[in-house]
Amino acid sequence: AQTVTQSQPEMSVQEAETVTLSCTYDTSESNYYLFWYKQPPSRQMILVIRQEAYKQQNATENRFSVNFQKAAKSFSLKISDSQLGDTAMYFCAFMKQLNYGGSQGNLIFGKGTKLSVKP
Amino acid sequence: DAGITQSPRHKVTETGTPVTLRCHQTENHRYMYWYRQDPGHGLRLIHYSYGVKDTDKGEVSDGYSVSRSKTEDFLLTLESATSSQTSVYFCAISGTGRTEAFFGQGTRLTVV
Repeated sequence: AQTVTQSQPEMSVQEAETVTLSCTYDTSESNYYLFWYKQPPSRQMILVIRQEAYKQQNATENRFSVNFQKAAKSFSLKISDSQLGDTAMYFCAFMKQLNYGGSQGNLIFGKGTKLSVKP
Repeated sequence: DAGITQSPRHKVTETGTPVTLRCHQTENHRYMYWYRQDPGHGLRLIHYSYGVKDTDKGEVSDGYSVSRSKTEDFLLTLESATSSQTSVYFCAISGTGRTEAFFGQGTRLTVV
């Protein structure tokens, strides 16, 4: 069975600074996807960034980037130039890839990290 | 934004009563999921569907049942609600060959 661990229940960062959220996972699968989701106070789950396990290159989306270390089973999220609107719960998630490609979409989540961006 | 609508958005019910939550999608996606979110647990899968009338259990399925009679609708039923089922419930969808899962707005259910 797969597990996802986020070891930082809460973090804070000053506006405009950089912060890194940690995530480790455990799996025997070779092919999978990893995600970071953001949940602001509105409760909506928003996809921040996605990483395919077969890709060596780390994914980047504007101010968000990941450090994917497959051998170490580590998947951290870096937020640059933090903004007040980044205040949210952040969830790391794992999804197994099906044999024919794509995925079933059955996400396994970590318990989340509550990030506060301070002015 | 993916077309997913959950109803109701909020509900308060009494212990022992049946409750049905509805998830409706307009994306024609094959897969649909019900998750619950509780403090300190993240989101946990209750049930999922991989097609009309095709469903399977997730991690925390006890006390819940689901039905999917049409591609666009996925219903979650609590046959006899208990206080331990007080939670926020999320529906999600994903398509064949896709890697993203898109979430509804969530339903806050309180069982008193």
